[in-house]
Amino acid sequence: GQSLEQPSEVTAVEGAIVQINCTYQTSGFYGLSWYQQHDGGAPTFLSYNALDGLEETGRFSSFLSRSDSYGYLLLQELQMKDSASYFCAVRDDTDKLIFGTGTRLQVFP
Amino acid sequence: DTEVTQTPKHLVMGMTNKKSLKCEQHMGHRAMYWYKQKAKKPPELMFVYSYEKLSINESVPSRFSPECPNSSLLNLHLHALQPEDSALYLCASSQGDRGRSGEQYFGPGTRLTVT
Repeated sequence: GQSLEQPSEVTAVEGAIVQINCTYQTSGFYGLSWYQQHDGGAPTFLSYNALDGLEETGRFSSFLSRSDSYGYLLLQELQMKDSASYFCAVRDDTDKLIFGTGTRLQVFP
Repeated sequence: DTEVTQTPKHLVMGMTNKKSLKCEQHMGHRAMYWYKQKAKKPPELMFVYSYEKLSINESVPSRFSPECPNSSLLNLHLHALQPEDSALYLCASSQGDRGRSGEQYFGPGTRLTVT
């Protein structure tokens, strides 16, 4: 079967750093994506890792280790507006995106 | 223009009605997707169109019928739905080449309620 596991909830305070982990088991793997979704909104693309290593985009960074079937999203200098759900997603060998279970991030002042 | 638009924003329909959801993008993307999302759950893929041809149908019941009139438009025709079909229906698009399908752009969704 296909599975992507994430912690269900993470809490942090403004200005802190938080890491959201994703472990996956899929029938094929071409890359790991991260999406942000605010309540009532649509998912917004954040990053895509096809190769091992760290990709940095502003306050957000994403890491992938294909040998460990593991990735994470790192959010730095947290702001209240970062409170949202975060999904990892694997692009499999049939060209589908399979989404993880989702992590709800709550940022407190 | 990096926007995917969807209409209507909200839809309430009875189990005997026929309605359609519409999606449009003008980014020149060649792959378009329909997802269904229940509250506090991840999006679930329903259909994928690649270069205007249906490439993936995730065993979706026939009461959902997708259509891709051209490379910018995607419709989802609804007929004889059940209350459990109530959900947020999301349209997304991506460039279409295999190297970029991890980067999808989502529309705001249609919140569907079946009574």
